Amino acid sequence: AQSVSQHNHHVILSEAASLELGCNYSYGGTVNLFWYVQYPGQHLQLLLKYFSGDPLVKGIKGFEAEFIKSKFSFNLRKPSVQWSDTAEYFCAVNKGAGNMLTFGGGTRLMVKP
Amino acid sequence: DAGVIQSPRHEVTEMGQEVTLRCKPISGHDYLFWYRQTMMRGLELLIYFNNNVPIDDSGMPEDRFSAKMPNASFSTLKIQPSEPRDSAVYFCASSLAGVGTGELFFGEGSRLTVL
Repeated sequence: AQSVSQHNHHVILSEAASLELGCNYSYGGTVNLFWYVQYPGQHLQLLLKYFSGDPLVKGIKGFEAEFIKSKFSFNLRKPSVQWSDTAEYFCAVNKGAGNMLTFGGGTRLMVKP
Repeated sequence: DAGVIQSPRHEVTEMGQEVTLRCKPISGHDYLFWYRQTMMRGLELLIYFNNNVPIDDSGMPEDRFSAKMPNASFSTLKIQPSEPRDSAVYFCASSLAGVGTGELFFGEGSRLTVL
């Protein structure tokens, strides 16, 4: 069965620290990859996405992610986090438009001021 | 742009009552998804529709749950009878299959509390 794994369930960082959240998936073949963010009490919003081209994808608010096909990974990074980045982050994968999006279990990030 | 619209935003009901959650997808989107989010189980896909037709309902917990999409601009998720373990945030999302990557656009969610 297809799956998406986020190994860090909870991460606590101080402001200005660097962030890397792991995401691995179990599909073969061509995939589309997404990171969504859910701020406290809000709905999921797209942070960034990858479907082809440069494997280093830049998203909103200074986030970026790198697709490494050989490792089936799509890790999310940010060089310097802010208190406002406190949220839950979800990695998601599908096998193209029109296909079901499978979400990872989420990573709760808390940034201490 | 109007996004995905869900109602009600909050619902508190008693065990055994019927609950109906509503969703209006983004105009022109041909896929609609219902998700449930809880602390224990995270984000779970319940059911999704393509062109108003249910495609996969394997995530629906049991027969107490039903979903319909009578037209392209409206869907309902019904729980009858409701139980305390149904307490969760229910999200509706829509997407457009013909172009792009299948990105989902989520509504604000309906927070259900069953007492």
